Amino acid sequence: EAGVAQSPRYKIIEKRQSVAFWCNPISGHATLYWYQQILGQGPKLLIQFQNNGVVDDSQLPKDRFSAERLKGVDSTLKIQPAKLEDSAVYLCASSFSPQGFSSYNEQFFGPGTRLTVL
Amino acid sequence: AQTVTQSQPEMSVQEAETVTLSCTYDTSENNYYLFWYKQPPSRQMILVIRQEAYKQQNATENRFSVNFQKAAKSFSLKISDSQLGDTAMYFCAFVNTGTASKLTFGTGTRLQVTL
Repeated sequence: EAGVAQSPRYKIIEKRQSVAFWCNPISGHATLYWYQQILGQGPKLLIQFQNNGVVDDSQLPKDRFSAERLKGVDSTLKIQPAKLEDSAVYLCASSFSPQGFSSYNEQFFGPGTRLTVL
Repeated sequence: AQTVTQSQPEMSVQEAETVTLSCTYDTSENNYYLFWYKQPPSRQMILVIRQEAYKQQNATENRFSVNFQKAAKSFSLKISDSQLGDTAMYFCAFVNTGTASKLTFGTGTRLQVTL
């Protein structure tokens, strides 16, 4: 079974530039998550999708971050414009979680995209 | 709001020895799950072990076991017979069963296994 795919693996940009990350979840996984992991910290959830709808985006800085999951499969996360403090690893994860299923479903993580903002 | 605290930023253990990583959490909920995740230098996060709060028996997965103390809100990870491949960041994480699988992570413990 293929895992969660992310691209690019590394990205270096200057502040005020734009950047986009792509994630392809495990086939059949309804739920997709984007996390931000700043160096020395644990991952922090930015946004959670159930199919193509947003479940939780309470910690997404909406003035500069946006995300979409068209057709309920792969997803893109965009930052525009980037700030120095956005330097982090951006992790994508997915879980099976069919609609209405109440028990916890394991999240499977991708390798992440390391973003450096200069 | 739930919080997860890992008070050991770094730990070191010799190969074949046993090491215990500490984790405490704070929640007002009664039904939840606790996890230990491993993040090797390649950065792929992998689930090591999980514990359902309603279960009194401590979870075990091969060389990995937990000591779950619900009243004390403590959830430590014991790695027996440590191997070089266990070198990684270890994150303790919490999810409330009622919050659509929103994981809250601790700050991590960097474990170095030495010869």
